[in-house]
Amino acid sequence: DGGITQSPKYLFRKEGQNVTLSCEQNLNHDAMYWYRQDPGQGLRLIYYSQIVNDFQKGDIAEGYSVSREKKESFPLTVTSAQKNPTAFYLCASSISESTDTQYFGPGTRLTVL
Amino acid sequence: AQSVTQLDSQVPVFEEAPVELRCNYSSSVSVYLFWYVQYPNQGLQLLLKYLSGSTLVKGINGFEAEFNKSQTSFHLRKPSVHISDTAEYFCAVRLRNDYKLSFGAGTTVTVRA
Repeated sequence: DGGITQSPKYLFRKEGQNVTLSCEQNLNHDAMYWYRQDPGQGLRLIYYSQIVNDFQKGDIAEGYSVSREKKESFPLTVTSAQKNPTAFYLCASSISESTDTQYFGPGTRLTVL
Repeated sequence: AQSVTQLDSQVPVFEEAPVELRCNYSSSVSVYLFWYVQYPNQGLQLLLKYLSGSTLVKGINGFEAEFNKSQTSFHLRKPSVHISDTAEYFCAVRLRNDYKLSFGAGTTVTVRA
């Protein structure tokens, strides 16, 4: 079964802690993306990566970091520098950066206690 | 930069009635247009997309959308909704020479019996 998996589905963290969200795809897609979703605001782009070992900041990269060591994996770390990290995080992928359609994973809901 | 406006944040509708979700965008250059659906606590699923050609686009689950270049709109319609259409719907726009998807704030559709 091809697709994008994100884990965990729900994540709780204490203030001041870093936390890493997982995103894996077996679609053989080159490009991967991380979005943050807040109620009433749609989706905002955090980071994207078009190839292994390369990534760029999106609109709201502050307080986040990523890595792209393997084509199928694009983990997102929410650092303690992120002022308001409680949100729903969505990972997406596409065949290449220039391809029209992005496909989304099921998301991870992060709550900071 | 392009922006996307979804004119209705909430749309209540009775089962078997028609529904229209409005989306306007601002861009001076050619764009690709998308509608995604999100069920509670899930990722986004592509409903339909406009790349070029016929301005009337048919998607999954009986949805269709019409691209109107002069009015910079891409409204989504369904002639008869089901309870299972209860979800949040997002309009998204991408410039033809860019990777970035810009999303509207979303429209929540609630279908009642």
